[in-house]
Amino acid sequence: KQEVTQIPAALSVPEGENLVLNCSFTDSAIYNLQWFRQDPGKGLTSLLLIQSSQREQTSGRLNASLDKSSGRSTLYIAASQPGDSATYLCAAPLKAAGNKLTFGGGTRVLVKP
Amino acid sequence: GAGVSQSPSNKVTEKGKDVELRCDPISGHTALYWYRQSLGQGLEFLIYFQGNSAPDKSGLPSDRFSAERTGGSVSTLTIQRTQQEDSAVYLCASSLYTGEGYEQYFGPGTRLTVT
Repeated sequence: KQEVTQIPAALSVPEGENLVLNCSFTDSAIYNLQWFRQDPGKGLTSLLLIQSSQREQTSGRLNASLDKSSGRSTLYIAASQPGDSATYLCAAPLKAAGNKLTFGGGTRVLVKP
Repeated sequence: GAGVSQSPSNKVTEKGKDVELRCDPISGHTALYWYRQSLGQGLEFLIYFQGNSAPDKSGLPSDRFSAERTGGSVSTLTIQRTQQEDSAVYLCASSLYTGEGYEQYFGPGTRLTVT
């Protein structure tokens, strides 16, 4: 079954520590991979979009890498802050899903002050 | 500029009633998507529209669900004879195109509760 997986489901770190969020996918031919942030009771905010031809994308303290051959993407958040507490979701358009976005289950992050 | 907007933000309805959820995509975006997010199910695709092409309805869970997009802009998701399992957050997204590399932008969602 073609799918997107995020492990762990929850993560708690002290403020200032770097965050490493993992996403794995089963389709090595994806067009792109997108990382989102979701705050409780809110919609999704797009953080980074990595094209299939790219290996990484950076925005401020955020850096996302993409390794299609191993089916993995990693989102790094440097020097975490309490305001980074949220659920982070990755999503990719999988061929088996007709190239519609398939989402991982998310990683719920808590940054403790 | 204005992002994707959805209304209402919250909807409580009785089992068996029909509901309509509205989505206003970003101006100029030709692709519009509906997703559902429920506890234990994660985020699942429902339907998408691309320009004047026939919509991809492959994610709709039953024939009680339907959606339309008028004038290539605003979309309405209709759920008939609502059931308690329909309770979820319904999210709408739009993108410039559905082709390779186009980023999806999400609205705040409509939280539907069926009592």
